[in-house]
Amino acid sequence: AQRVTQPEKLLSVFKGAPVELKCNYSYSGSPELFWYVQYSRQRLQLLLRHISRESIKGFTADLNKGETSFHLKKPFAQEEDSAMYYCALSSGGYQKVTFGIGTKLQVIP
Amino acid sequence: SQTIHQWPATLVQPVGSPLSLECTVEGTSNPNLYWYRQAAGRGLQLLFYSVGIGQISSEVPQNLSASRPQDRQFILSSKKLLLSDSGFYLCAWSAGTALSEKLFFGSGTQLSVL
Repeated sequence: AQRVTQPEKLLSVFKGAPVELKCNYSYSGSPELFWYVQYSRQRLQLLLRHISRESIKGFTADLNKGETSFHLKKPFAQEEDSAMYYCALSSGGYQKVTFGIGTKLQVIP
Repeated sequence: SQTIHQWPATLVQPVGSPLSLECTVEGTSNPNLYWYRQAAGRGLQLLFYSVGIGQISSEVPQNLSASRPQDRQFILSSKKLLLSDSGFYLCAWSAGTALSEKLFFGSGTQLSVL
C-alpha cells in the first residue's frame, strides 16, 4: 500500500529564514510526487511536481529515491508563504493520488 | 477553460438524514473524478475515484457512496448520515492517465451532522 508521511503538523519560521517541509513516502513502484498548497480562503492547488523539476514561488523539491523523500525547500521564507502544504503521491494505472496529512507553515514577520 | 463546481458550500444535516453532494466539471471530457474528505489532523483522505461513467472505486469502507451518472458529474451520497460523516468534502478532477497529471479541486462542502 502507498503512504505519504508528513511528520510536522505545524512549522513556524521567521521571515527570511530557510524553510524545509518534510515528506516521506512508501511505494514499491515508481510514483510521481507533488506538493499542493492551500492558502487562506483559497482552493487547494498544485504548487509543484517532481516531473517538472521546476521552482515555483522560490520553492523546490528533490526526489530522493534512496531515502524515499520529497522535501519541499525555500531558502528565504516570506509572509505570503504561510499556508497549508500537502505532499502527494500518484501511482497506479488509474492515477490514484494519496495525500499526506499536511503541514501548516506559519511565517512569523 | 476548465472549471469545477461543487455545491452546496455548507450543509447542516441531522443524524439519519440522507445526503447528496454534487460536483460538475466543465470544459473537458472524460475526466478522472475524485471525492476527498479533509479533516484536521488527518489530511486529505481519498474516498472515491472514477475513471468513467458508472465506474466507481471506493477507497475506504464507510457510510457513503458515489455515483457518476454523466461524464462530468460526480455525486456523493448517503442514505443515513452519521455524526462521523461530518467534515470538509472536496471534489477534484484530473485529465488523462499519466501519473504526473495534476488535480484540480473544487471549493469544497463543509458538512455538519448534528
